[in-house]
Amino acid sequence: QVQVMQSGAEVGKPGSSVKVSCQTSGGSFLNYAISWMRLAPGQGLEWVGGIIPLFGRPSVARKFQDKVSITAHKSTSTVYMELSGLTSDDSALYFCARGEKEYDFLTNGEFGTDDAFVFWGQGTLVTVSS
Amino acid sequence: DIQMTQSPSSLSASVGGTVTITCRASQNIEYYLHWYQHKPGKAPKLLIYTAFSLQRGVPSRFSGSGSGTDFSLTISSLQPEDFATYYCQQSYSTPRTFGQGTRVEVK
Repeated sequence: QVQVMQSGAEVGKPGSSVKVSCQTSGGSFLNYAISWMRLAPGQGLEWVGGIIPLFGRPSVARKFQDKVSITAHKSTSTVYMELSGLTSDDSALYFCARGEKEYDFLTNGEFGTDDAFVFWGQGTLVTVSS
Repeated sequence: DIQMTQSPSSLSASVGGTVTITCRASQNIEYYLHWYQHKPGKAPKLLIYTAFSLQRGVPSRFSGSGSGTDFSLTISSLQPEDFATYYCQQSYSTPRTFGQGTRVEVK
């Protein structure tokens, strides 16, 4: 069965960067989109961005475009999200999730309309503190 | 970006009762609307996908309806484990967007 495992909690100083990982197993890594979500204290879920490893081109919400870099490493079936220029606003729980829609070269690298987040990681707490 | 507006933001209900949460999209998203349940310290869980399809393993007391811009999630015969926060999310386009969440509390 599909499993999604995230790296452990991170503490970063203001202005620094942290990198969080999301490893999937139990299915093809290349053909399924992985997305990252943020759950900040007192707020709701927000989609940060995502990537389809087959194509390697990330899609990032405008709000996070100067903050986040998303990459996929095929050899380790791992997607990374790097948060840079940390501020206290970045302190949050970050989840990665995968859908069940299988992508191939006919999809042109676009995220599908029917791709829900089925399999979730356990969450990674990022704390920004000096 | 497509804005998703959920209501109410919170509600109180009794075990055995029925609750309905609504979600409105800022534009037509056809059926590309999903519902999640989230409990503190756990990963969110997909309940309903594409507006009304029950995810495998989810009890049938959860149901979804709607299309276009207006959607709802109904939980009938509320169980103690159903007290949680519920989110709608559209996948019609990127960026994916969520509603602000509805917290369902014990009355």
